[in-house]
Amino acid sequence: GAVVSQHPSRVICKSGTSVKIECRSLDFQATTMFWYRQFPKKSLMLMATSNEGSKATYEQGVEKDKFLINHASLTLSTLTVTSAHPEDSSFYICSARSPVTGPEQYFGPGTRLTVT
Amino acid sequence: AQSVAQPEDQVNVAEGNPLTVKCTYSVSGNPYLFWYVQYPNRGLQFLLKYITGDNLVKGSYGFEAEFNKSQTSFHLKKPSALVSDSALYFCAVETTDSWGKLQFGSGTQVVVTP
Repeated sequence: GAVVSQHPSRVICKSGTSVKIECRSLDFQATTMFWYRQFPKKSLMLMATSNEGSKATYEQGVEKDKFLINHASLTLSTLTVTSAHPEDSSFYICSARSPVTGPEQYFGPGTRLTVT
Repeated sequence: AQSVAQPEDQVNVAEGNPLTVKCTYSVSGNPYLFWYVQYPNRGLQFLLKYITGDNLVKGSYGFEAEFNKSQTSFHLKKPSALVSDSALYFCAVETTDSWGKLQFGSGTQVVVTP
């Protein structure tokens, strides 16, 4: 139980284009979803928290107009990287949780974004 | 402000030997503590958590961790390591003051040699 999927697993895009990453909770309803960014051999950095039907809450230093987050349903959240630049290349990981699953977060497998 | 420290970048252990991965924390409220494991190019897998109650918690794959309030530590242990335990391990903390926000340690790479 408590499986989270992400799509795509890898994406390469050209500088200036936008990319959408989907995060789905497959067997539970995620009242809260989180988006993280991970640099090579580094810890995870929380980018934003999203609650279903509400606007996302962004961490300090994260540009909300660049990283658009939508949590339209209890099983789906999307992260759109707009006008991507090479410095946006990273490993993006989502997680989800609900009162039913407990306080722990369940993570997706991640999306490797490369901007050329 | 809350913080989590994993003092070792890498831990090397021979297969069959005990494995310990250290974690200390600093929080302003009551902590929820977690351990996660990450395999290459994958997301994180939940191993175990401490919320309240018994200081020794048991988790997945034979791992356990001990909550020590006086030393503000939450070390991860496994009595007998396997080569397949080689991965990146993260300690994380959440407090009631910052519900839902996990603060991660820097990660410890575990290498188990045959």
